[in-house]
Amino acid sequence: EAQVTQNPRYLITVTGKKLTVTCSQNMNHEYMSWYRQDPGLGLRQIYYSMNVEVTDKGDVPEGYKVSRKEKRNFPLILESPSPNQTSLYFCASSLTTTPDTQYFGPGTRLTVL
Amino acid sequence: GENVEQHPSTLSVQEGDSAVIKCTYSDSASNYFPWYKQELGKRPQLIIDIRSNVGEKKDQRIAVTLNKTAKHFSLHITETQPEDSAVYFCAVPRGTYKYIFGTGTRLKVLA
Repeated sequence: EAQVTQNPRYLITVTGKKLTVTCSQNMNHEYMSWYRQDPGLGLRQIYYSMNVEVTDKGDVPEGYKVSRKEKRNFPLILESPSPNQTSLYFCASSLTTTPDTQYFGPGTRLTVL
Repeated sequence: GENVEQHPSTLSVQEGDSAVIKCTYSDSASNYFPWYKQELGKRPQLIIDIRSNVGEKKDQRIAVTLNKTAKHFSLHITETQPEDSAVYFCAVPRGTYKYIFGTGTRLKVLA
């Protein structure tokens, strides 16, 4: 089944404790992206990747890192999480790098205490 | 940079009535305009999209219209049903690789 998966789905952590949220797609998609969703603010893009080893910042990259070592995986790294990073995170992928349908993962609800 | 405004933020309609949600954008170079539906606790999913070379696209009860001159596009849902209740987001590409999403419209269909 074609899909985007994320893990973990729920995470409660404490300020400063490094964490990684994994994202994987099995559709051989070129483009992958991370968004955070906060009430009243919609979806805001954190980072995106056009291909392996090619990543760039979205609108809200501060406090986050990403890597794309393999085409299928695009992990989101919070090296020193802070309470303002409490949010619902979505990974998404798209077949090509030209604007097209994005397929979203199930979401990761992160709480930073 | 690209700016997207989505209205209304909430919308209640009676079952069977129509619903219209509008997004206004600023970058005249934008050429792809999708709408996503997000049910409660679920992921956003594309319901319809349109490219800048057409003015309207329909898929059963859902349609999207695009006015490139005025820089806005709208989602139209006819004969609304309770299962249409969700949050709807528009999105606009910024350049080739970035996306700007609207802030969402919570649609409630009253039975």
